[in-house]
Amino acid sequence: EAGVAQSPRYKIIEKRQSVAFWCNPISGHATLYWYQQILGQGPKLLIQFQNNGVVDDSQLPKDRFSAERLKGVDSTLKIQPAKLEDSAVYLCASSLEASGYEQYFGPGTRLTVT
Amino acid sequence: SQQGEEDPQALSIQEGENATMNCSYKTSINNLQWYRQNSGRGLVHLILIRSNEREKHSGRLRVTLDTSKKSSSLLITASRAADTASYFCATGALAGGGNKLTFGTGTQLKVEL
Repeated sequence: EAGVAQSPRYKIIEKRQSVAFWCNPISGHATLYWYQQILGQGPKLLIQFQNNGVVDDSQLPKDRFSAERLKGVDSTLKIQPAKLEDSAVYLCASSLEASGYEQYFGPGTRLTVT
Repeated sequence: SQQGEEDPQALSIQEGENATMNCSYKTSINNLQWYRQNSGRGLVHLILIRSNEREKHSGRLRVTLDTSKKSSSLLITASRAADTASYFCATGALAGGGNKLTFGTGTQLKVEL
């Protein structure tokens, strides 16, 4: 079974630039999550999708972050404009259903904002 | 916000020894999970315990949950060098139709030969 795919793996941008991350969840998984993991901390949930609808985006900084999941499969997370404090690893995860307990994580995208 | 806090922040042991990590949390939960993260394999689910359970086993892993004290512990027996990683507890709360996970700050485990 193929795992969660993410790209790019690494990205370096200057502050005020924009960046986008892509995620392809495990086939058949209805629920998709984006997490932000700052160095030395645990992952923090940014947004959760059930199919192509948003379940929880309470911790998403909506003034600069946006995410979409068209057709209920792939998802993109965008930051515009980026700030220095956005430097982190962005993790995508999926689970079979919204109340599914186990989440499967992708390798993450390491973002450095200079 | 981080719900769980792991203790200790870092742990160094010899191969073959047991490793115990603790997690404390603040609010009511539906379940608690432990994940491992290393550079080679990313974040991987290890074990889940539901709020009405007190103890679970999986291979060399043993997890306990005390909801009255809002705490959990993860025991890794007969540790191996390959167990070197960061371990996170994550509390699960059913909200909006989903199981929202809130991760702790993690314990860095180093197993030396």
